[in-house]
Amino acid sequence: GNSVTQMEGPVTLSEEAFLTINCTYTATGYPSLFWYVQYPGEGLQLLLKATKADDKGSNKGFEATYRKETTSFHLEKGSVQVSDSAVYFCALSDLAAGNKLTFGGGTRVLVKP
Amino acid sequence: GAVVSQHPSWVICKSGTSVKIECRSLDFQATTMFWYRQFPKQSLMLMATSNEGSKATYEQGVEKDKFLINHASLTLSTLTVTSAHPEDSSFYICSAGGLAGNGEQFFGPGTRLTVL
Repeated sequence: GNSVTQMEGPVTLSEEAFLTINCTYTATGYPSLFWYVQYPGEGLQLLLKATKADDKGSNKGFEATYRKETTSFHLEKGSVQVSDSAVYFCALSDLAAGNKLTFGGGTRVLVKP
Repeated sequence: GAVVSQHPSWVICKSGTSVKIECRSLDFQATTMFWYRQFPKQSLMLMATSNEGSKATYEQGVEKDKFLINHASLTLSTLTVTSAHPEDSSFYICSAGGLAGNGEQFFGPGTRLTVL
């Protein structure tokens, strides 16, 4: 079956530091890959996505590249802000699985001023 | 675009009562909606997939008689937690999908249920 593994948190950073959250996946088909962000007490918001190999998703200074050869979709941001403190979820959607989303366990990021 | 709302945002109820949570797609028609449950500091667990006009498909281990799902229109799906007990306390999140054809889902803000 499909699965997503992402690094466990919490990740604590200082403002303007570089952020990387690793995400690897296992899928039987050709999935689409997503990063969602969840702020305290809220639902999930799509941060970025990539639908095929070598695609790069980007939004709000965050980037992730769909790497089929390493089955990875690592999230990066060059200079984090306090407002980036949230939980980040890596996810995949596979048409063969009815387009259900498979989530990683989530990574809590705390950015300190 | 692609806004999903949930109501209520939080609810407290007594053990044994039933609670209904509404999920609405505000600016698009959602043929498929999903219901998730999230425990504190954990990931989302898919409970069921709801298609408009048909019965919901429940994930393994989810009691269909306890978590009743109705998707009567293209903009509304409801989750009713029947005879709620304290162990049903959780954060329930709905999502709508199928717009982009790539599996992207649009999430509601969630409903926090506390059963006393």
